[in-house]
Parts: sequence; structure tokens; C-alpha cells
Amino acid sequence: DVKVTQSSRYLVKRTGEKVFLECVQDMDHENMFWYRQDPGLGLRLIYFSYDVKMKEKGDIPEGYSVSREKKERFSLILESASTNQTSMYLCASSDLLAGGNEQFFGPGTRLTVL
Amino acid sequence: AQSVSQHNHHVILSEAASLELGCNYSYGGTVNLFWYVQYPGQHLQLLLKYFSGDPLVKGIKGFEAEFIKSKFSFNLRKPSVQWSDTAEYFCAVNALAGSGGYQKVTFGIGTKLQVIP
Repeated sequence: DVKVTQSSRYLVKRTGEKVFLECVQDMDHENMFWYRQDPGLGLRLIYFSYDVKMKEKGDIPEGYSVSREKKERFSLILESASTNQTSMYLCASSDLLAGGNEQFFGPGTRLTVL
Repeated sequence: AQSVSQHNHHVILSEAASLELGCNYSYGGTVNLFWYVQYPGQHLQLLLKYFSGDPLVKGIKGFEAEFIKSKFSFNLRKPSVQWSDTAEYFCAVNALAGSGGYQKVTFGIGTKLQVIP
């Protein structure tokens, strides 16, 4: 089974702090994604990556950056956290060549910015 | 850019009632379609998917969905729901996007289903 793990289930940070969210997948997937999930808004794509050191902006990249130095690891960075970034963050991965981009999700990190 | 609309945001049903959740997408090209489910306290997981072939797709736990290309729809159905189906359901479409022509999945806003015993 594909396993996608995220470094923290719950995180509390202060406004202005730099925040790192880590995601690791163990199935050698090329594609990795970061979403945020908010009530009434569903899942919104922040950034995605199709290869090491490659990144593409999603629908809401402002205030975020990403890093993919190794194939299995995809990090989301909040350069200066703000209260409107309080949300559930979901990481996902998928196989580039099979599965029609079926995504496998991690458990999520609930981030609260005070 | 593609978009996905889910018509029902909150559905309440009694056990054994039939379920149909609407999903429409907007995209003119070839798509892959998905329904994902998120049970309380659990991570998102795939319920079923459509790539090609038979437009009626069967998934886990007795769910099915029908792809109607002319209506740009992919509605989810279950003949008789159970209390354990209480969850949030997301429709998603995969289509080409991005500067490199890479595929991107777009999700609907989700439908919360509450099944009353």
C-alpha cells in the first residue's frame, strides 16, 4: 500500500513565523501535491511537483513556497505565517505513468496560526 | 481551466435510503474522473474512478457512478446507505494544465453526507 506521511498532525505557530510542513511518500511516485482544505471551499491546490527540483504553482500559491530535493519528499514552506493560513494541509502523491493521476493522501496537518 | 461543481453541500438521509450526489465538470477535452471519500477522522481515500470504457463505474462499499459525457456529469449513487457511509464526498477531475502541459486534478467543494440510524 502507498503510504504518505506528514510530519505533524497538529501545529500551532505565531504570526510571522516561518513554518515547514514535511511530506514523505514511499512508493516512488513522481507527482506530489500540496492542498489546503477549508470548510465550504473543498480542496485547493497550492503547489505541485512532477520531478525532483521541479515545481508548478497551483490555484493559490501566494504566501507559500515548496521544495523538492528528493523524489520522496515534498516540503511546503510558509515564509511568514499569517492567520488566514490557518487550515488543514493535505499532501498527496500519484504515479505519473499510471492511474490517471489517482492521488494518495496523507493524514493532514492542522495548522493554527495565532 | 477546469472546474467541478457539486450541487449538494449537505445531505441527510435515513439508513436504507437511496443516495445520489451530483457532480458536473467543465472541461472540453479528455478527462479522468474520481470520487474520493473522507470518513470522520480519516484521510481522503479513493472511492471509484473513471478513465475510459464502460461509463458506469463500480467502486468500493456498493457505490457506483455514471459518466454522462453529453451532460459533463459524474453522479455518485448508492441504492441503500448505511450509517457507516457518513462522510464527506469529493468529486474530482483530472485534465491537462500547467505550463508544461502537466495533468492537474481539480476537486469540488465536497458534500457532507449524514446517515441517520
